[in-house]
Amino acid sequence: DTEVTQTPKHLVMGMTNKKSLKCEQHMGHRAMYWYKQKAKKPPELMFVYSYEKLSINESVPSRFSPECPNSSLLNLHLHALQPEDSALYLCASRGQGAVQPQHFGDGTRLSIL
Amino acid sequence: DAKTTQPNSMESNEEEPVHLPCNHSTISGTDYIHWYRQLPSQGPEYVIHGLTSNVNNRMASLAIAEDRKSSTLILHRATLRDAAVYYCILSLNYGGSQGNLIFGKGTKLSVKP
Repeated sequence: DTEVTQTPKHLVMGMTNKKSLKCEQHMGHRAMYWYKQKAKKPPELMFVYSYEKLSINESVPSRFSPECPNSSLLNLHLHALQPEDSALYLCASRGQGAVQPQHFGDGTRLSIL
Repeated sequence: DAKTTQPNSMESNEEEPVHLPCNHSTISGTDYIHWYRQLPSQGPEYVIHGLTSNVNNRMASLAIAEDRKSSTLILHRATLRDAAVYYCILSLNYGGSQGNLIFGKGTKLSVKP
């Protein structure tokens, strides 16, 4: 069982819908991450939050909007997505110290119709 | 970001040792070497990390070359459950990008019964 919980596990949405992905951890980690993973490709870093503040945005389109309402929760709000945005979205968290390992959830598999 | 080079795929027999190589000739003195693996339908999982000395944990061993330009992940007795994509990643230990993971293509390990 993973210590990082992502919901929903699967999501199908149309291009005009608005939906949100949720990520939760209760390990006291203050660094949290969103990654995007296309089929048979490695994960690509999207956003990094440190102490609930956005520290890195890897040039992600504005149709993806991250939010970190508290130290345990990370959301990814989705609006007007394109079919090419269909992918596995992974969340991770890391304890204090740069060499601490990242703990990953099992992801949300997103399909855009 | 410093890059790593890994073979695309490797095969092993069950209960035999596996040596997964990684080249990182542009590694800097402050880069840590991390290994993660991703089993099918799961998020990545931390395996091991090191800086200069060889490291052992319950999952694997990490052998680091003296010049740090290459490393080898060693699974001492492969099991069917070890079939996964193994990623070798260099991670900064300081600065705004500290602790961030930039995944390369990884090595897909198959384990035969």
